[in-house]
Amino acid sequence: QVQLQESGPGLVKPSGTLSLTCAVSGGSISSSNWWSWVRQPPGKGLEWIGEIYHSGSTNYNPSLKSRVTISVDKSKNQFSLKLSSVTAADTAVYYCASRQVEYCSSTSCYTEDSGRWFDPWGQGTLVTVSS
Amino acid sequence: EIVLTQSPATLSLSPGERATLSCRASQSVSSYLAWYQQKPGQAPRLLIYDASNRATGIPARFSGSGSGTDFTLTISSLEPEDFAVYYCQQRSNWPLLTFGQGTRLEIK
Repeated sequence: QVQLQESGPGLVKPSGTLSLTCAVSGGSISSSNWWSWVRQPPGKGLEWIGEIYHSGSTNYNPSLKSRVTISVDKSKNQFSLKLSSVTAADTAVYYCASRQVEYCSSTSCYTEDSGRWFDPWGQGTLVTVSS
Repeated sequence: EIVLTQSPATLSLSPGERATLSCRASQSVSSYLAWYQQKPGQAPRLLIYDASNRATGIPARFSGSGSGTDFTLTISSLEPEDFAVYYCQQRSNWPLLTFGQGTRLEIK
């Protein structure tokens, strides 16, 4: 089954750009999944950042849209997150996760273009914004 | 944006007791609701999807119910490993996906 692994710098300076990569193993980035980023500030709840399909189609949280870019690299079987103009408020654990578009029950198979649920998740990586 | 409000914020119970967690949506999400469990230092794990279906490998003591705006996660008899934070999440309003603020289930 698909496994996800985040990587990237753990420390970013204020006003800089946060860059993370999520490596996909056990499956293809070109499979029918939305590839997502979710973050969690220390001691707080979960916030969806955005997602990408292998075609390049993206969806972003409006609250972050002006600063976020998510891209896919099929040759490396990975997808990436860039968040610009970061502040201390962007300090968080960043998770990558996937949402299936095609799935099968015990009796039939279905396609939901909007994708289904976050499963699986990467282990997460802490990014601290500080000078 | 659909806001999900979870209650209570913290629930203190003993092993063996029944836990009832609530998630209320600001507008109908039909059955497009999931529950996740998160233990300290770990990523969230999918427990319940489509409001009432257990994900693969989830014990039968976990059950979900509800539709529209009111949803419940029930743990029939708490095991020590069930003490964690639980989040609900909706996808009815895709492409804007939202989570509830979480309920912390702690040992009494």
